[in-house]
Amino acid sequence: AQSVSQHNHHVILSEAASLELGCNYSYGGTVNLFWYVQYPGQHLQLLLKYFSGDPLVKGIKGFEAEFIKSKFSFNLRKPSVQWSDTAEYFCAVVTSGTYKYIFGTGTRLKVLA
Amino acid sequence: DGGITQSPKYLFRKEGQNVTLSCEQNLNHDAMYWYRQDPGQGLRLIYYSQIVNDFQKGDIAEGYSVSREKKESFPLTVTSAQKNPTAFYLCASSALDRDDEQFFGPGTRLTVL
Repeated sequence: AQSVSQHNHHVILSEAASLELGCNYSYGGTVNLFWYVQYPGQHLQLLLKYFSGDPLVKGIKGFEAEFIKSKFSFNLRKPSVQWSDTAEYFCAVVTSGTYKYIFGTGTRLKVLA
Repeated sequence: DGGITQSPKYLFRKEGQNVTLSCEQNLNHDAMYWYRQDPGQGLRLIYYSQIVNDFQKGDIAEGYSVSREKKESFPLTVTSAQKNPTAFYLCASSALDRDDEQFFGPGTRLTVL
């Protein structure tokens, strides 16, 4: 069965620190990849997505992610976090044509002011 | 405003009672989904539907039922057979033409007493 692993469950950083959240998936076929964010009290919303082309994708609020096919990874990065980035982050994968999205267990990020 | 509405935001039920959670979307999306979110477990897929009058079981469908009589609506019934129904339930939708991002509703927190 397909799976998505997020290895960091809780991350605490100070403002201006760099962030990298890991995401690995198990499926070897064609996939579309997503990072979603859930700010406290808000809806889940899309941060960025990868379908094809340049493996380095840029999203909202200065986030970016790199797709490394050989490592089945789609890690999320931000050079300098802000207090407002405190949220839960979810990686998701959908196998092309299935419409069945698989989510990781999420990473809770807390940024200290 | 286009979006997904879920009602109610909080729901309390006695053990042994069935309860139906509402999900409506006006995004003209073909696909709709129900997830269950539990702390540390991410989002787990309950049911999804790609077209009216058709739906498929997700990873944790036992104890749940759905219907898709209208494109805009995808209600979820939590039956008394669901052994641990207390959770946060999220509804989502997506366009069907490709495996694009999902749009999420605000969620319903169900507590079974």
